[in-house]
Amino acid sequence: GIQVEQSPPDLILQEGANSTLRCNFSDSVNNLQWFHQNPWGQLINLFYIPSGTKQNGRLSATTVATERYSLLYISSSQTTDSGVYFCAAGNQFYFGTGTSLTVIP
Amino acid sequence: DTGVSQDPRHKITKRGQNVTFRCDPISEHNRLYWYRQTLGQGPEFLTYFQNEAQLEKSRLLSDRFSAERPKGSFSTLEIQRTEQGDSAMYLCASSPKPFTQETQYFGPGTRLLVL
Repeated sequence: GIQVEQSPPDLILQEGANSTLRCNFSDSVNNLQWFHQNPWGQLINLFYIPSGTKQNGRLSATTVATERYSLLYISSSQTTDSGVYFCAAGNQFYFGTGTSLTVIP
Repeated sequence: DTGVSQDPRHKITKRGQNVTFRCDPISEHNRLYWYRQTLGQGPEFLTYFQNEAQLEKSRLLSDRFSAERPKGSFSTLEIQRTEQGDSAMYLCASSPKPFTQETQYFGPGTRLLVL
């Protein structure tokens, strides 16, 4: 299956700071998603973004399919942004190991 | 629509027992996926269905695991002769038929503990 790597593995931010999360994938893909897993374990879909750029409020994502990476931008972070962020790629949506984000007040 | 539901939410069993989990997808979603997630890891793909047809199974899905989606609606995942290594969160997701975009919606998961 497709290998998905995410960086950084852990990130601690002061509230209000901006951050960029990266997802690299090993093969060309037709599907790519970003998820947020909250402290209770619920996975919430953030973006379906096999290519191009999308924005939703303080979050935006860019996928450069030809170079096999995707970026998730979080601006003006809030404590509610804490949790683990996963990207998933491929027809079966292979997941990376995630970036654990902690936002400190 | 209330989203993807899973039952039970928690299950504790003794090694060697069989367990069965149920997933009810969002209505009219043709695709249904099962994943397993252990602590500190991302979800691992197990299998997925297009309507009632099981299209792909991961090598992780040993012969002790079986999944069904008999009428293309709800799905069950059964684990026979459970082992302590089966302890994990089992996640179900559904998505619309992928002619254009395909977005997965996850259920809350079933947390299994094998003693």
